[in-house]
Amino acid sequence: GAGVSQTPSNKVTEKGKYVELRCDPISGHTALYWYRQSLGQGPEFLIYFQGTGAADDSGLPNDRFFAVRPEGSVSTLKIQRTERGDSAVYLCASSLDAYSGNTIYFGEGSWLTVV
Amino acid sequence: GDSVTQMEGPVTLSEEAFLTINCTYTATGYPSLFWYVQYPGEGLQLLLKATKADDKGSNKGFEATYRKETTSFHLEKGSVQVSDSAVYFCALIHSGGYQKVTFGTGTKLQVIP
Repeated sequence: GAGVSQTPSNKVTEKGKYVELRCDPISGHTALYWYRQSLGQGPEFLIYFQGTGAADDSGLPNDRFFAVRPEGSVSTLKIQRTERGDSAVYLCASSLDAYSGNTIYFGEGSWLTVV
Repeated sequence: GDSVTQMEGPVTLSEEAFLTINCTYTATGYPSLFWYVQYPGEGLQLLLKATKADDKGSNKGFEATYRKETTSFHLEKGSVQVSDSAVYFCALIHSGGYQKVTFGTGTKLQVIP
């Protein structure tokens, strides 16, 4: 497709379970970003990839959160031992590269509910 | 660190009314400033941007001017339509480095016929 694709669009999981959220960026975009948006808040930065490597993971809240991008395209955000406070919309975004003022394109998000 | 403050919503306006959504920022240096819009059921979209002081960003009848002296980037539109109903986010990217976006909390706009 033409835009950033995220799956699943909605996920309900039980507290303590493991969750994976997938992001398929726009073809050719080398920069990929994950953000988390809690209800009534703006998106907050989690992690940024340039190619395959995580260039900045300073926004990951704790070691239960991990993200990979093994081939420099699709990325997976992994959350272990989920907690109710992890409930949020997880947004993925991509851009041609991260430094030239290129437009950042956002996906529609994966809405995670932990019960 | 960087931060963005925008007026709380929701804002409810009648069609063809004038819109202002206030936004101020805190950042060192010269950040680039943005307005993003999130329509119901859709992802965030870039609405407009300004990259230096006194620049005016505009798109779809919306405008915002980068005011360094007041550290503001207020969003305006002269005549809103029902189709403008959405959540609007003010945001910045710090100068230098990579494109890490800092967002405000969002302002929900509802336009009634």
